[in-house]
Amino acid sequence: DAKTTQPPSMDCAEGRAANLPCNHSTISGNEYVYWYRQIHSQGPQYIIHGLKNNETNEMASLIITEDRKSSTLILPHATLRDTAVYYCIVRVASGGSEKLVFGKGTKLTVNP
Amino acid sequence: EPEVTQTPSHQVTQMGQEVILRCVPISNHLYFYWYRQILGQKVEFLVSFYNNEISEKSEIFDDQFSVERPDGSNFTLKIRSTKLEDSAMYFCASRGNPNEKLFFGSGTQLSVL
Repeated sequence: DAKTTQPPSMDCAEGRAANLPCNHSTISGNEYVYWYRQIHSQGPQYIIHGLKNNETNEMASLIITEDRKSSTLILPHATLRDTAVYYCIVRVASGGSEKLVFGKGTKLTVNP
Repeated sequence: EPEVTQTPSHQVTQMGQEVILRCVPISNHLYFYWYRQILGQKVEFLVSFYNNEISEKSEIFDDQFSVERPDGSNFTLKIRSTKLEDSAMYFCASRGNPNEKLFFGSGTQLSVL
């Protein structure tokens, strides 16, 4: 799997959009970008994933650049409960039992 | 939303003792995983399991570790002789098909004294 680079920490004001960047310059054509988060010591929670097109769900939006070398996770209206470590992971989607490999992620702190 | 269930939530054991961590994956899932996270460190892959056999294991998953799906619903991780450095949060995860998201349980905090 391609490696990803994320800033170690970010801050965001409550109610504002949180934009979390991720670089994955060595991503392959068949690798998806996944985002998970971990609140305190809970199990990682799936947020969103995409291949080429921008994606949106009830939790977040994922913007992937045209060259696919970077992406941004957007939490449109961050709340205090969004304080967590956010992980950007690239993975071959059709890899069967292929694992997710977690990096250090970005520690997002949402401030009141 | 369906959940992966892990028991117990906390386990304390003496060094050298055997422990079994239990997981009930989501019912129609086919791919199963164990991860661990030492306090303050990254979430680390241990092992993946599919079709009643190990698909992949990390170098952490040595001969002291084993996994089993004994009855079609449970998925267990056994550590035969625990060491102090096995103290960690252990997460079970499952997915239904290769393209599906991975669902994680809430973890078992293992403390080896």
